[in-house]
Amino acid sequence: AQKVTQAQTEISVVEKEDVTLDCVYETRDTTYYLFWYKQPPSGELVFLIRRNSFDEQNEISGRYSWNFQKSTSSFNFTITASQVVDSAVYFCALSESGVGGGATNKLIFGTGTLLAVQP
Amino acid sequence: GAGVSQSPSNKVTEKGKDVELRCDPISGHTALYWYRQRLGQGLEFLIYFQGNSAPDKSGLPSDRFSAERTGESVSTLTIQRTQQEDSAVYLCASSSPLPYTSGKTNTGELFFGEGSRLTVL
Repeated sequence: AQKVTQAQTEISVVEKEDVTLDCVYETRDTTYYLFWYKQPPSGELVFLIRRNSFDEQNEISGRYSWNFQKSTSSFNFTITASQVVDSAVYFCALSESGVGGGATNKLIFGTGTLLAVQP
Repeated sequence: GAGVSQSPSNKVTEKGKDVELRCDPISGHTALYWYRQRLGQGLEFLIYFQGNSAPDKSGLPSDRFSAERTGESVSTLTIQRTQQEDSAVYLCASSSPLPYTSGKTNTGELFFGEGSRLTVL
């Protein structure tokens, strides 16, 4: 069965600190997709990144970086020099691969990590 | 519209009443998803539509819950005889097909609406 675990329920940091959000997943599929979504206080979830299981290269986008390690079934998310606007709930999610190799129907979400960045 | 639109944004109802929640996905998005988020919890999958059919409805919690989609567009989630445990935010999301797959495979990038907050008294 598929499962996503975000062990950190809540993290509080002071602005400009770096912070890493952990995500560990379980799947029996050899082809799958991993995602991170951000849910700010306004409530609307925002897509951050999609990574397929064959691409273990780490990715950096501005202050955001992602570390995908298949050996440990982890897809961790690091925010460098955090800002107050980064305060949100962050969800990690997993999807099986569907026909044609694209992501398929349901995403399985973790329970989320609430990040509070204090000024 | 440009994004996923859901209505009503807030609904307060009495236990035992039926409610209908509506989702208008992004135009051209063949996949549509319903999730439920209870207060302080993660997202719970309910049902997934590909076009107008629902290949996966495994997350619907009981037969009081049903959903339909018409015209490969609007979807309605209906909850009959509401119970207090149904109180949650119901989130709709849509996803575009991968190119060259005849609309059968999705990118997996979900665009979410703002949700419908349901409170059952």
